[in-house]
Amino acid sequence: DAGITQSPRHKVTETGTPVTLRCHQTENHRYMYWYRQDPGHGLRLIHYSYGVKDTDKGEVSDGYSVSRSKTEDFLLTLESATSSQTSVYFCAYSGGPLNTDTQYFGPGTRLTVL
Amino acid sequence: AQSVTQLGSHVSVSEGALVLLRCNYSSSVPPYLFWYVQYPNQGLQLLLKYTTGATLVKGINGFEAEFKKSETSFHLTKPSAHMSDAAEYFCAVSGSGANSKLTFGKGITLSVRP
Repeated sequence: DAGITQSPRHKVTETGTPVTLRCHQTENHRYMYWYRQDPGHGLRLIHYSYGVKDTDKGEVSDGYSVSRSKTEDFLLTLESATSSQTSVYFCAYSGGPLNTDTQYFGPGTRLTVL
Repeated sequence: AQSVTQLGSHVSVSEGALVLLRCNYSSSVPPYLFWYVQYPNQGLQLLLKYTTGATLVKGINGFEAEFKKSETSFHLTKPSAHMSDAAEYFCAVSGSGANSKLTFGKGITLSVRP
């Protein structure tokens, strides 16, 4: 158990609705990440955080926003879900910088946008 | 800019046979290299990583990889495959800069035949 949970684990929603995914870590680590996983694309970084209220964009940030008001929680919001955002979303944390430190992943959230 | 190439999407080996999963990278700065494994319906887990020092890196579950700068490669090997090795394997690269992100390859699915 890597000390990281995601909720919900599965969600089906309709196009145009807002969706928030939650990531919770119990390890008090500074760095947290949101990725999406799609067949043929591997994992792609959406947003990341290097501390409370400190966030930055990743490779595929359009249509997504994040918030981090506490060290342990990192929220990913789809303001108006689209079918192209159907994916499996993974949250991760690391104790050190994202370029060198091991990332510990949550179990994933499978999101379907109809 | 950096990228990872994992040729092919699926490798099948017999139990007890050598496992070889190929990874080639492109990076404009000295790379840091990672292999992650994903078992069905789970998040990713670090197998091994290369940052500096010895170019032959040993990881968990009997896997190892060798960083070859001249070949821009970081191939993953295991002398004898076990049924429990069946999973998806991702190679990833980052750079030495503090703001360097982790870029994943598309992944390779390893099947192990009895």
